[in-house]
Amino acid sequence: SQTIHQWPATLVQPVGSPLSLECTVEGTSNPNLYWYRQAAGRGLQLLFYSVGIGQISSEVPQNLSASRPQDRQFILSSKKLLLSDSGFYLCAWSDPGQGFNEQYFGPGTRLTVT
Amino acid sequence: GQSLEQPSEVTAVEGAIVQINCTYQTSGFYGLSWYQQHDGGAPTFLSYNALDGLEETGRFSSFLSRSDSYGYLLLQELQMKDSASYFCAGNTNAGKSTFGDGTTLTVKP
Repeated sequence: SQTIHQWPATLVQPVGSPLSLECTVEGTSNPNLYWYRQAAGRGLQLLFYSVGIGQISSEVPQNLSASRPQDRQFILSSKKLLLSDSGFYLCAWSDPGQGFNEQYFGPGTRLTVT
Repeated sequence: GQSLEQPSEVTAVEGAIVQINCTYQTSGFYGLSWYQQHDGGAPTFLSYNALDGLEETGRFSSFLSRSDSYGYLLLQELQMKDSASYFCAGNTNAGKSTFGDGTTLTVKP
């Protein structure tokens, strides 16, 4: 069966510090991978998605970046965090054979920028 | 671009049936998905409609009408554990998903 891992679960970082969140998927090959951010009481905002190694599409221009160094690894980074980067960050995967319609989420990282 | 609208809150009693509506404006619309999210947790996939009509999965059903740009999630035989937020998500043929702001369902005894 497929499993998606995300870490850390919670993170408190000062403004201006760097960020690296990692997501890995097990039990599947060549998944579509996604990074979302969720503000309190709101829906999920798609930040990045990837259909293959090195292929990243950015949805929202901001100070975040994403990389996919391996097939089942997706990394979200920032060189300098802003207060507005606080939120619940979720990684998700989907099976390309089933399109983008069924996405499976990791446990999330709750980021607080102080 | 895409936008989806759903009610912010719905309240129902145990054993009842509740319907959560979702209207969308989406270019390149491909289908509508539904997710459940319990407080503090990650969303979990519930259902997906690509074609008009009703899809049934146990106590949950989802409906889509492309001509009306409208869908709904139907929850039957409500249980306390169904208290959660429910999100509709519009999927496009470009592989993007846009989520609504969610409907908080409160199930009362």
